Amino acid sequence: GEDVEQSLFLSVREGDSSVINCTYTDSSSTYLYWYKQEPGAGLQLLTYIFSNMDMKQDQRLTVLLNKKDKHLSLRIADTQTGDSAIYFCAENNFNKFYFGSGTKLNVKP
Amino acid sequence: DGGITQSPKYLFRKEGQNVTLSCEQNLNHDAMYWYRQDPGQGLRLIYYSQIVNDFQKGDIAEGYSVSREKKESFPLTVTSAQKNPTAFYLCASNPDRVGNQPQHFGDGTRLSIL
Repeated sequence: GEDVEQSLFLSVREGDSSVINCTYTDSSSTYLYWYKQEPGAGLQLLTYIFSNMDMKQDQRLTVLLNKKDKHLSLRIADTQTGDSAIYFCAENNFNKFYFGSGTKLNVKP
Repeated sequence: DGGITQSPKYLFRKEGQNVTLSCEQNLNHDAMYWYRQDPGQGLRLIYYSQIVNDFQKGDIAEGYSVSREKKESFPLTVTSAQKNPTAFYLCASNPDRVGNQPQHFGDGTRLSIL
């Protein structure tokens, strides 16, 4: 299968920016995705970026894609305590999605 | 509201027992998926179906079975052959048969061994 890697933990203070990083292996992915998971719940789509784009901004969220290095990042501006969750990056290859192991974001008041 | 409904939210299995997890969607999506999530790990694909009456094994299909008799339903059976079934199970759907759209997820079923 494909390898999608993320760091496991990130801790920030409320009001700071958070940057969650991801590396992937399949350069043929059409889209790359960021999902959010709150405790005991399913995955909620946050945003996604088409593979021929470098950047996408959506309110407090900014996605950066470096195709050369196969690196994807999610920046959350003005992080709030409600942003505390696990964040997954994912790539798709034909009919399969491959998910990272998730980054647990802890926002301290 | 359109969405994916998984039931039950919590399920307990006795040794040697088969259990079935329900997944229903009213999004009119063609493709449906089952994933297993273990603590601190990403999602691993169990089975997926691109169309009614057809399904494919994912990366960890052993000990599981599925059916797709109706477009809106994709139940997962955890058989007694699955020796370590304790996990969080997530069902997803996709409007695109080849998956070139975001996946939509249900709220999950947590399965535990008695």
